[in-house]
Amino acid sequence: AQKITQTQPGMFVQEKEAVTLDCTYDTSDPSYGLFWYKQPSSGEMIFLIYQGSYDQQNATEGRYSLNFQKARKSANLVISASQLGDSAMYFCAMSWNYGGSQGNLIFGKGTKLSVKP
Amino acid sequence: NAGVTQTPKFRVLKTGQSMTLLCAQDMNHEYMYWYRQDPGMGLRLIHYSVGEGTTAKGEVPDGYNVSRLKKQNFLLGLESAAPSQTSVYFCASSWGGATDTQYFGPGTRLTVL
Repeated sequence: AQKITQTQPGMFVQEKEAVTLDCTYDTSDPSYGLFWYKQPSSGEMIFLIYQGSYDQQNATEGRYSLNFQKARKSANLVISASQLGDSAMYFCAMSWNYGGSQGNLIFGKGTKLSVKP
Repeated sequence: NAGVTQTPKFRVLKTGQSMTLLCAQDMNHEYMYWYRQDPGMGLRLIHYSVGEGTTAKGEVPDGYNVSRLKKQNFLLGLESAAPSQTSVYFCASSWGGATDTQYFGPGTRLTVL
């Protein structure tokens, strides 16, 4: 069965420093996608970055990058040069194609990031 | 371009009452999803639709029904609300498939007393 694990309930980072949020996943399907979403205190879910299982290079989107280590089944989010506005909950999610899934997402429990000035 | 919108934003129900949550998207997406978010649980899939007139069960479908009569709308119904259905409900849409990003609505906070 598919599973997403985020082992850090909360993290602190100093403004302007980089931070890594951990995510490990479990699936036996060869084709899957990995996503990170940000949820600020206002509650909306904001898409940050995507990595496909067949992508050779790590995905990057501005200050966000995804450290994809397929053999270890990890998909860590790296935020460079943290800003106060990065304080939020961050969710790792996975979707897959096999077994009747229609791109359905499963989510980890999230990591609460707090950026200190 | 509004993206994904949800109506209402907040609602308080008494046990046993019924209600319908409306989700609308203007991106011409084929797939639509309903999730619930509970504290410490992340988001869990309730029902989804892969096109107009289709619906399917997700991880936690009990107590909910859905309909997709129009491509742009996806309705979530609670026939007899229970306190266990107190949650934040999110709608999402996508082109479909494991590689396509799901875009979320702003959420509906539902409290069942």
